[in-house]
This record gives sequence, structure tokens and C-alpha cells, in this order.
Amino acid sequence: AQSVTQLGSHVSVSEGALVLLRCNYSSSVPPYLFWYVQYPNQGLQLLLKYTSAATLVKGINGFEAEFKKSETSFHLTKPSAHMSDAAEYFCAVSEQGYNKLIFGAGTRLAVHP
Amino acid sequence: NAGVTQTPKFRILKIGQSMTLQCTQDMNHNYMYWYRQDPGMGLKLIYYSVGAGITDKGEVPNGYNVSRSTTEDFPLRLELAAPSQTSVYFCASSQGTSGSGEFFGPGTRLTVL
Repeated sequence: AQSVTQLGSHVSVSEGALVLLRCNYSSSVPPYLFWYVQYPNQGLQLLLKYTSAATLVKGINGFEAEFKKSETSFHLTKPSAHMSDAAEYFCAVSEQGYNKLIFGAGTRLAVHP
Repeated sequence: NAGVTQTPKFRILKIGQSMTLQCTQDMNHNYMYWYRQDPGMGLKLIYYSVGAGITDKGEVPNGYNVSRSTTEDFPLRLELAAPSQTSVYFCASSQGTSGSGEFFGPGTRLTVL
């Protein structure tokens, strides 16, 4: 069965600092992996996705994630945090050939001046 | 394109009441989904549909029903509301091709008292 673990339910960084949000997955077959962002009182918005092409995936708002099969990880990074990045971030996995997503519990990112 | 729209935005129900959460998408997506989001729990799939007339259970279907008479609409029905159904409900749609990701509506915040 597939599963997603997001390490750290809350992450706090200073403006301009590196953002690193961790995601590890479990899947018996090659997965598709996604990162979504949720701003307060809004729905989820797709940041980026890995679908077995390049292992380094670039998304919107300067975020990127790297698929590491050996570590079963898909961590999300951004070199320099902005105040506007404060939100909740969800990692999700689906199996190739399937169309249902399994979500992690989410990581709330706070950005301090 | 309006994308995925949901109504109402907020609702308070008494125990035992029933209601229908509406969801409409204008992207001609075949796949549609209903999730519930509880604090610290990520998103759990309630029901999904792969096309008009076809629905299937997700991870947490008990207490809910759905129908899909058109491509655009995917209403979620609560027949006998219970406090455990207090949550934020999100509707989503996707093209259905593997790895396409999902587009989310803004959500409905439901409280059952």
C-alpha cells in the first residue's frame, strides 16, 4: 500500500533563508509524486509534480523538488523564503496508471521577518 | 474558466439533518473527487468518479453518498449528519491521465452541532 510521511508538522524559517520540507513515500511500484500548497481558507494548488521524467522538478513560485529513489524521498526546497510562502504544504503520491492521490498530513510553513 | 466551484462555503447543521454539498467543474474533466480535511490529518478521499454514471468509494465513505449524472457536477450528500462529519470538504477534478494531478475547489466548511 502507498503512504506518504511528511517530517515536521511545523517548520519555521527566516525571510531569505532556505526552505526545506521533507517528504518520504512508500510505494511498491514507480510512483508519481506531487507537492501542493494551501493558503489560509483556500483550496489546494499544485506546486509541482514528478512523473518519471527528470528527477529534479521545478515548480511555481521558485520551488523545486528532487526525486531520490534510493531514499524514497521527494523533498521540497526553495533557496530564499518570502513572507508570501507562509502556507501549508502537502506531499502526495499516486501509482502510475492510477488516478487517486494519497496525501501526507501536511507541513505548515511559517516565515519570520 | 471558473475551474472547480463549490457551494456553500460554510454551513452549520444540527445532528441528524441532511444536506448536499455542490461541486461543479468547467474543464471537461472526467475524473472528480471528494475529500475531507481534518486538522493534522491531511486529506482523506471520500468518493470519486471516473465519468458520468460511475462512482466508487474512497478511504472514508461511510455516512456519505454521491451521484454523477453529468460530467460537470458531482454532489456529495450527507443523510444523517453527525459531529464526526465536522470538517472541511474539498472537491477536485482531473483529466484522468496518470500523473495529471488534481484541481481543487475552495472548500466547504461544515460544522455539525
